[in-house]
Amino acid sequence: DAMVIQNPRYQVTQFGKPVTLSCSQTLNHNVMYWYQQKSSQAPKLLFHYYDKDFNNEADTPDNFQSRRPNTSFCFLDIRSPGLGDAAMYLCATSPRRGGNEKLFFGSGTQLSVL
Amino acid sequence: EDQVTQSPEALRLQEGESSSLNCSYTVSGLRGLFWYRQDPGKGPEFLFTLYSAGEEKEKERLKATLTKKESFLHITAPKPEDSATYLCAVMGGSYIPTFGRGTSLIVHP
Repeated sequence: DAMVIQNPRYQVTQFGKPVTLSCSQTLNHNVMYWYQQKSSQAPKLLFHYYDKDFNNEADTPDNFQSRRPNTSFCFLDIRSPGLGDAAMYLCATSPRRGGNEKLFFGSGTQLSVL
Repeated sequence: EDQVTQSPEALRLQEGESSSLNCSYTVSGLRGLFWYRQDPGKGPEFLFTLYSAGEEKEKERLKATLTKKESFLHITAPKPEDSATYLCAVMGGSYIPTFGRGTSLIVHP
């Protein structure tokens, strides 16, 4: 089945130690999103891509970066994780720019920072 | 700026006890209102999209309705397996979804 896959499901890192989360999709969707979701809070958009056109939300900390080397893969890099970055990170896709279709989500990566 | 407010934050029901979840929104040019279900430790799973006031959609025990200011997710005769967090999202002229905090539903046997 076509899907969105996030790896790893659980990631533990140390304070200040860089970490990379990955997302792959077999849907051939043009748009990819990274959301941060803390407990009992709304998913918060960090970045989105229209193909390789990168869009950074104004309030996304500089500590967070992203790469999309091709249509299928997208990475979230946290350069120096702090305790406040512990959260669920959700990757999602949608078919096209300017479309009003639903989002397809991966299972998420739960990040813990020690 | 698009905004979504969901209520209540948490809801406990007995099996078979019907209820409704509310999603109030402000958006510039509604392109779609989405309902998702999220189980603990997992990504959201799509339920419904509503595009215009007056529209209704149903799936099993769930029915979603839409007005110009709010949407309701009605749950009829819920079962324990309906326990989850239900997220509402709106999409306006930016075509980027804005999510609410969700309603955590627990259905007791």
